[in-house]
Parts: sequence; C-alpha cells; structure tokens
Amino acid sequence: DGGITQSPKYLFRKEGQNVTLSCEQNLNHDAMYWYRQDPGQGLRLIYYSQIVNDFQKGDIAEGYSVSREKKESFPLTVTSAQKNPTAFYLCASSRGTYEKLFFGSGTQLSVL
Amino acid sequence: SQELEQSPQSLIVQEGKNLTINCTSSKTLYGLYWYKQKYGEGLIFLMMLQKGGEEKSHEKITAKLDEKKQQSSLHITASQPSHAGIYLCGAVNNDMRFGAGTRLTVKP
Repeated sequence: DGGITQSPKYLFRKEGQNVTLSCEQNLNHDAMYWYRQDPGQGLRLIYYSQIVNDFQKGDIAEGYSVSREKKESFPLTVTSAQKNPTAFYLCASSRGTYEKLFFGSGTQLSVL
Repeated sequence: SQELEQSPQSLIVQEGKNLTINCTSSKTLYGLYWYKQKYGEGLIFLMMLQKGGEEKSHEKITAKLDEKKQQSSLHITASQPSHAGIYLCGAVNNDMRFGAGTRLTVKP
C-alpha cells in the first residue's frame, strides 16, 4: 500500500543530543514537509522540500536541519540548539506544490 | 506569510446537533483544505475548495468557500461521536500553512 511512514512513534532526547526523525514515502511525491505541533496548537512549518536536493526554511527552522538526497526520504534532525524540542512532529508529502498533503502518523519527541 | 484564523477554538456539542467551524484568511485563498486529526495521530484529508462560492459535501460534512475567497466554513449536520477530533484548515501559497485548529467534542 502506498503511504507515508514516520519512525519512531516515540523518541526521547537527552540534553545536548541530536536526534533524527525518519520520514519515508512511496507515493512518488515531489514535495515533502515537516511540521511541529504543540499541545492545543496548530501546525507550524519547520522545513519543506519541493524537489530532491533542495529545501526551504519554514517559520521555525532554527535548531532543526533536514536533507533531501532521495525523493522518497526527508529526515529531520533536531539539534542540541533546539532548546524546547518536546512536541509532536508530523511529516507530509504532496504530488506538487498546490496539491493536497498526505500525512504520516507522527513522532512524539520528549526530553529526558 | 498567510495567516489563518479559526473559530471557535473548541466546541462541545450534544450528539445530533449541528455545528459550524470558521476559517478566515488574511489573504486571498487560492486553495483551502480541511483536515481532521484524532489526538496523537496524523491528519486526514476532508475536502479541498478552490473557487469562490464553491461548496462540497461528504456524508454529513459540508464546506464552503465564500465569493471573496477569504473565508471558509465547515458545517456538520447531526453530529455523532465519530465526528470528534481537531479540525484544521490549511491554505496553499508556496507551502501549506494551517490554522490553530478547532477541537470538537460530541457528547453522547
């Protein structure tokens, strides 16, 4: 079945540690996105990529990094510079810039 | 960037009642999406509206985009517990931005 897969479901980060969230899609979509969701709030855009080897910062890119080496993969690294990383992270993909987004099931990141 | 404001922030209704959620944009909407989210899960696509005055329905959910394309409403008829969740509107510019969401609780 085609879809978008995020892993792991739950992730814990220690102080000063970088962690990487995985996002893989087999929908052959060109565009991929990372959002952060805090309790009781909507989605805020971290990074997005419209094509392989290219990505743009969203509203809250500081403390995060991404890569897009393959069409199907868009990993997000939460660096130690992100001082408040505890949140629910959602990855999404779309066929093109103005097409509807398909979402993964999310990763809950918590700080130990 | 495009700002989307949703109202109300939360809504508690008795099963069987109708309800409306609104989404207002600071800019003209070229594409407006409605999604539903269960707590701790991803978003499920409901509907997309593009043309001013457009209206779409799916089961008991109807969404409209006003003529000026700066406001959309989502209406649920005869609400059921299965309608409970967070409803988010999203707008496309060069990327997809979302409103803060409306948390719907349906009491049996």
